[in-house]
Amino acid sequence: AQTVTQSQPEMSVQEAETVTLSCTYDTSESDYYLFWYKQPPSRQMILVIRQEAYKQQNATENRFSVNFQKAAKSFSLKISDSQLGDAAMYFCAYRSENNNDMRFGAGTRLTVKP
Amino acid sequence: DSGVTQTPKHLITATGQRVTLRCSPRSGDLSVYWYQQSLDQGLQFLIQYYNGEERAKGNILERFSAQQFPDLHSELNLSSLELGDSALYFCASSVGLAEYYNEQFFGPGTRLTVL
Repeated sequence: AQTVTQSQPEMSVQEAETVTLSCTYDTSESDYYLFWYKQPPSRQMILVIRQEAYKQQNATENRFSVNFQKAAKSFSLKISDSQLGDAAMYFCAYRSENNNDMRFGAGTRLTVKP
Repeated sequence: DSGVTQTPKHLITATGQRVTLRCSPRSGDLSVYWYQQSLDQGLQFLIQYYNGEERAKGNILERFSAQQFPDLHSELNLSSLELGDSALYFCASSVGLAEYYNEQFFGPGTRLTVL
């Protein structure tokens, strides 16, 4: 079974600085999708960025980018120019190409200091 | 606003009771997923329906059941409730199945408190 591990329960960053959140996963599949979701205090799940495993190029969405290392089964999220509104729980998630459910990590709580 | 609606927002009930959570997917989405998020934990996949049929099952207890109706809305039924069932229950919807990438859009969740 696929598992997703987020080894950092909490992280903090100074406003305007850069922070990297770690995620590793375990799978024997070759094709799958990886996601980072943001959950602010409102509890709404918001998709931040996604990566298809067959794509070698790392995904980027404005200030958010990933470092996808397929061989190492690592999928970290980099937030540049951190803003106060980035403070939230961040969840890494895995979905195989053929399964319908997503496996989530335990989350990393990000605090942004002004 | 993801376009996925869930009712009610909050639900407080007692142990042993039965509740029904409702989800309306985004217009055009045929798949509905249910997830459970216990306090400060990640989401656990419970079950998925596609166009009225059950398509995948995760860590769903036998006391829990779900269905998707012809108008594509879905209901999650939780019975013989226990204190440990207190959680945030999310519904998500997507256009189709898993044969290609399709994003899941999450509703705002229903917070269930069992006293």
